[in-house]
Amino acid sequence: AAGVIQSPRHLIKEKRETATLKCYPIPRHDTVYWYQQGPGQDPQFLISFYEKMQSDKGSIPDRFSAQQFSDYHSELNMSSLELGDSALYFCASKGLPDAGELFFGEGSRLTVL
Amino acid sequence: AQSVTQPDIHITVSEGASLELRCNYSYGATPYLFWYVQSPGQGLQLLLKYFSGDTLVQGIKGFEAEFKRSQSSFNLRKPSVHWSDAAEYFCAVGPNNAGNMLTFGGGTRLMVKP
Repeated sequence: AAGVIQSPRHLIKEKRETATLKCYPIPRHDTVYWYQQGPGQDPQFLISFYEKMQSDKGSIPDRFSAQQFSDYHSELNMSSLELGDSALYFCASKGLPDAGELFFGEGSRLTVL
Repeated sequence: AQSVTQPDIHITVSEGASLELRCNYSYGATPYLFWYVQSPGQGLQLLLKYFSGDTLVQGIKGFEAEFKRSQSSFNLRKPSVHWSDAAEYFCAVGPNNAGNMLTFGGGTRLMVKP
């Protein structure tokens, strides 16, 4: 079965650069979530989208923005990168009848030098 | 504010031994509780969830968890651990059964001795 696809899997950037992460949800899933997991940390909820509209917002920095497109894929844009942005960024999707279960991608590892 | 505490950062058990991973939560309303497993280099996979009803819930891979409201706990158990169970386990609480806006605990890393 198709899973949540994230790209790129690994990304290296320097401070003050920008980065874009992409998430392709499971087909027919209309809800996408972004989580950030720092080294040795638990995942922190960033933002979510339902039917291309932002549905919930967590601890997402103002330097970050995200959107969901008409094909339900989502992109997380990060600007003015800081060393502390180095983390594993997970995308998860959900759709009926699987309500209550998030399906996570394998994550995109961002390293900021 | 909601919070999840997993008191054990690391646990090592022998293969075939029983396992219990502790999870305590603080939540102002009816908690929706989840356990996820994260294998190295992998995403988070849902093991089981509790919304209501029977306080002992069964999950995948032979795991179960018991919700104890009086103790604000949702401990994960497995009667006999397999080497492939070595991973990091996260307990999470959410405001509803939709699984969004989860608050995760700090995780417990399980190591399995042969």
